[in-house]
Amino acid sequence: AQTVTQSQPEMSVQEAETVTLSCTYDTSESDYYLFWYKQPPSRQMILVIRQEAYKQQNATENRFSVNFQKAAKSFSLKISDSQLGDAAMYFCAYTMGAQKLVFGQGTRLTINP
Amino acid sequence: KAGVTQTPRYLIKTRGQQVTLSCSPISGHRSVSWYQQTPGQGLQFLFEYFSETQRNKGNFPGRFSGRQFSNSRSEMNVSTLELGDSALYLCASSFADSSTDTQYFGPGTRLTVL
Repeated sequence: AQTVTQSQPEMSVQEAETVTLSCTYDTSESDYYLFWYKQPPSRQMILVIRQEAYKQQNATENRFSVNFQKAAKSFSLKISDSQLGDAAMYFCAYTMGAQKLVFGQGTRLTINP
Repeated sequence: KAGVTQTPRYLIKTRGQQVTLSCSPISGHRSVSWYQQTPGQGLQFLFEYFSETQRNKGNFPGRFSGRQFSNSRSEMNVSTLELGDSALYLCASSFADSSTDTQYFGPGTRLTVL
């Protein structure tokens, strides 16, 4: 079974600095998709970034970028110029299809002003 | 365009009762997936519906069921509630034109079982 592991239950960063959240996954498939979702306190989950496994280029969305290492099965999220609004639970998720996401346990990110 | 909506937002039930949760997807989305979120188990996939058919099911007991209507709205039902069913229930919708379309989540229904 596919599994997703986020080894950092909590992280904190100073406002305006850069932070990297780690995610590893286990799969025997070659074609799959990876996501980072953000869940602010008492608010709904929103998509941060998506990566297709067949693409070698790392995905980027404004201040958010990923480091996708397919051979190592690693998918880390880098947040640059951290802002107070970035404070949230961040979930790494995997899917090989069928609209079924497998989530990691999450990393709680705190932004210190 | 309106996002995914879920009703009710909060629900309190007692053990043994049953409950029905509703999810309205983003307009044009035909797939609805349901997830259970608890502090202990995290986010777990319950099932997915597409065009009124259940296409995929997670590892949950038969007390958890769902359905989808012709307008893509979906309901999930939990019968004979147990204390462990207390959780945030999230639904997510997507176009599902391909099997890996991005899912967009609703705000969730927080169910408390007493």
